[in-house]
Amino acid sequence: GENVEQHPSTLSVQEGDSAVIKCTYSDSASNYFPWYKQELGKRPQLIIDIRSNVGEKKDQRIAVTLNKTAKHFSLHITETQPEDSAVYFCAASKGNTPLVFGKGTRLSVIA
Amino acid sequence: DSGVTQTPKHLITATGQRVTLRCSPRSGDLSVYWYQQSLDQGLQFLIQYYNGEERAKGNILERFSAQQFPDLHSELNLSSLELGDSALYFCASSAGQGARSPLHFGNGTRLTVT
Repeated sequence: GENVEQHPSTLSVQEGDSAVIKCTYSDSASNYFPWYKQELGKRPQLIIDIRSNVGEKKDQRIAVTLNKTAKHFSLHITETQPEDSAVYFCAASKGNTPLVFGKGTRLSVIA
Repeated sequence: DSGVTQTPKHLITATGQRVTLRCSPRSGDLSVYWYQQSLDQGLQFLIQYYNGEERAKGNILERFSAQQFPDLHSELNLSSLELGDSALYFCASSAGQGARSPLHFGNGTRLTVT
């Protein structure tokens, strides 16, 4: 089955700097790659997603890139703010299969 | 608010006991998923139901079972509980199956086994 690896497990950045979180997946047939943000004590919330027919997608300060050949995708957060501090999860799936999540990245934005 | 309702919010019980976690999906969503989140761990997929039928199974223990009822709410039953079952259990729902529609998570049930 699908396996998703996520790096780094923790990341600290200064406010205003950029943050990049990377994920690799094992199943070349996977075609949907969402990112979820989980604030402390709260539920995971979808922040952005990308499908395999697209190489990049942006939404304000966040962007996701996908490299199907290398089977990896990344989350980019620019101009980080303290409220960006959270655990971020990447995930992958194909067709009707359930999402397989990475183990998460704890992002700390230092003011 | 995601529209997914999970009860109870917290559950404290002893080893060997049995508990039931309940989930009501968003209005109109047919798929219900259960995920387990242990301390410093990711979201481990347990099981998925779609319109009352089991669709996919993940790393769900034999001591655990689930079902989805005709009104589409779902229950996750955990029996013969062990200390290691302490975790946050999330229910999520989606309109369709798999990658075709985004998942919306409930606020979770925190289970503590003592």
